[in-house]
Amino acid sequence: QVQLVQSGSELKNLGASVKISCKASGYTFRNYGMHWVRQAPGLGLEWMGWISTLSGNPTSAQGFKGRIVLSLDKSVDTAYLEIISLRPDDTAIYYCAREYGAGAYYFDYWGQGTAVTVSS
Amino acid sequence: DIQMTQSPSSLSASIGDSVTITCRSSQTISNYLNWYQHKPGKAPKLLISSASALQSGVPSRFTGSGSGTHFTLTITSLQREDLGVYYCQHTYGIPYSFGQGTKLEIK
Repeated sequence: QVQLVQSGSELKNLGASVKISCKASGYTFRNYGMHWVRQAPGLGLEWMGWISTLSGNPTSAQGFKGRIVLSLDKSVDTAYLEIISLRPDDTAIYYCAREYGAGAYYFDYWGQGTAVTVSS
Repeated sequence: DIQMTQSPSSLSASIGDSVTITCRSSQTISNYLNWYQHKPGKAPKLLISSASALQSGVPSRFTGSGSGTHFTLTITSLQREDLGVYYCQHTYGIPYSFGQGTKLEIK
């Protein structure tokens, strides 16, 4: 069965970096794009960006350009989200989500979420 | 970028009631509109894709409709397990975005 398993919770200091992993299983990794979404405390879902698992080409939302790095390790079917120069408002739960993209586009499977806490 | 606006931001209803959540996009998105249910401590769950396609395993009391810029999610015969936050999402080109969410409480 399809699974996206994310790495565990992180506690980081202000200005540090964090790298979250999302390991996929149960399907052909290169056939589905991978997106990243976050939810800060008390706020809604925010789309951060996506990476083509076929080409490895990443695209970040405008508000995250220069602050996040999306990458892959196709040898282990894993996607990564790295956030640099962490700020207090980066405290959130981060999700990876697989995109079904054959004619219709939606996120059909999600990781369990990774909580990141930024401490000042 | 396309902005998504949901209303209401919250609502409270009783078991057995019907509720409707509205989602509007800032420009036409055809039917590239999805609905998710999000419960605390869980990953969001896809309910409806392409504005009206009910996902496998989702109860038929969930109905999506609309196209262009105006969409609705209707839940009939409300059950206790329907509490949570509901989000619309457009996938009419990158960047995708979500509505701000509608919190559904059960009286």
